[in-house]
Amino acid sequence: SSELTQDPAVSVALGQTVRITCQGDSLRSYYASWYQQKPGQAPVLVIYGKNNRPSGIPDRFSGSSSGNTASLTITGAQAEDEADYYCNSRDSSGNHRVVFGGGTKLTVL
Amino acid sequence: QVQLVQSGAEVKKPGSSVKVSCKASGGTFSSYTISWVRQAPGQGLEWMGRIIPILGIANYAQKFQGRVTITADKSTSTAYMELSSLRSEDTAVYYCARGGYDILTGWYYYYMDVWGKGTTVTVSS
Repeated sequence: SSELTQDPAVSVALGQTVRITCQGDSLRSYYASWYQQKPGQAPVLVIYGKNNRPSGIPDRFSGSSSGNTASLTITGAQAEDEADYYCNSRDSSGNHRVVFGGGTKLTVL
Repeated sequence: QVQLVQSGAEVKKPGSSVKVSCKASGGTFSSYTISWVRQAPGQGLEWMGRIIPILGIANYAQKFQGRVTITADKSTSTAYMELSSLRSEDTAVYYCARGGYDILTGWYYYYMDVWGKGTTVTVSS
């Protein structure tokens, strides 16, 4: 089992806004990062830190956090955003280990 | 722009070991970490461990402690992940990924901004 919990699947209508969440105790102290993974491809970092996007990531992707929950918001979802999304952060053991959420399958309708 | 170039696919027998490499092309390790993340077929991402190449310090996920060894060769900017006592459940794609480390503060950054394309390891008798 993962220390970070994500909903297995979320859907959104084309052009609408969707929020994908990630819950875990460590998120009270550490930021989550978010990754997009399309079938047969390596993950791609889309959000890190408070709300930072790597170069090349569209500004429709944004991140936020409150309490033990981190969120990835896609404002105006596009067909190409259909993918698996994973959050990650530090674990809560104090040993600098990394933990991933179980992933959320995003379907764009 | 740094790329992480991984070694090719492997087929292994149960009980054997596998060693996968990850070379930083177009740059050096500098003050970064290299993590190894695996993904079994149809499953999510699973962190195995990481190394700080310039210090040679590694730490591992509890699940893999004692079975995985992560090393790095600074002279060639190559990291390695060796997994022993392989079983069928280790069949997966293994990724290396770059993370951050502040050598002055000892602070880790947990995001991974550059990923290799993955190495498929198949464990089958």
